[in-house]
Amino acid sequence: QVQLVQSGAEVKKPGSSVKVSCKASGGTFSSFAFAWVRQAPGHGLEWVGGIIPFLDTVNFAQKFHGRVAITSDEPTNTAYMELSSLTSEDTAVYYCARNREWTGEGGAYYAMDVWGQGTTVTVSS
Amino acid sequence: EIVLTQSPGTLSLSPGERATLSCRASQSVRSSYLAWYQQKPGQAPRLLIYAASSRATGIPDRFSGSGSGTDFTLTISSLEPEDFAVYYCQQFAGSLSYTFGQGTKLEIK
Repeated sequence: QVQLVQSGAEVKKPGSSVKVSCKASGGTFSSFAFAWVRQAPGHGLEWVGGIIPFLDTVNFAQKFHGRVAITSDEPTNTAYMELSSLTSEDTAVYYCARNREWTGEGGAYYAMDVWGQGTTVTVSS
Repeated sequence: EIVLTQSPGTLSLSPGERATLSCRASQSVRSSYLAWYQQKPGQAPRLLIYAASSRATGIPDRFSGSGSGTDFTLTISSLEPEDFAVYYCQQFAGSLSYTFGQGTKLEIK
């Protein structure tokens, strides 16, 4: 049973950075791909970025260009998302999820099948 | 970028009724790339349906997905009290990227 456990809540000042961790257990980390999704208070889900650790492949939403870094550490089975130059608009719950690929009759399927519990990031002066 | 528009924004129904939620894409979406999630207050989203119509592990068969091209539907055949939540559709856009619909809130009438 794959589980993702995220780091605790953070309170940050505008202009600072935050780094959220996501530790995986119950599976083969080297075969995982991870997604990061955020949800501002009272709003919907927004894809932030993703990583395939064993391919060293990263992608992120254009709106975060230059502000986000997504990394992983295989010895500790942990993925990280760091967001810099924080503003109040970055106040949100940040989720990591396993970005899973299946293969079936219709070809390749993609979805986020396991989620972390979420990390609340509050940006306030 | 493909935009997903969900309707209605809010759906008010009673337990036992049938719920039909819509997700419309601005361009054709490969069915194998379309998923649905359920989110309850204070909880992470939960995968319900992937590849437009395949139920994820442990999802009751009252949940079903259908559709192709630009129009997709999530149907809950007979609502249980625990089904009242927010539902999101999602499409895989390639290269690890995804887009979500804005969500439909299913509330008790």
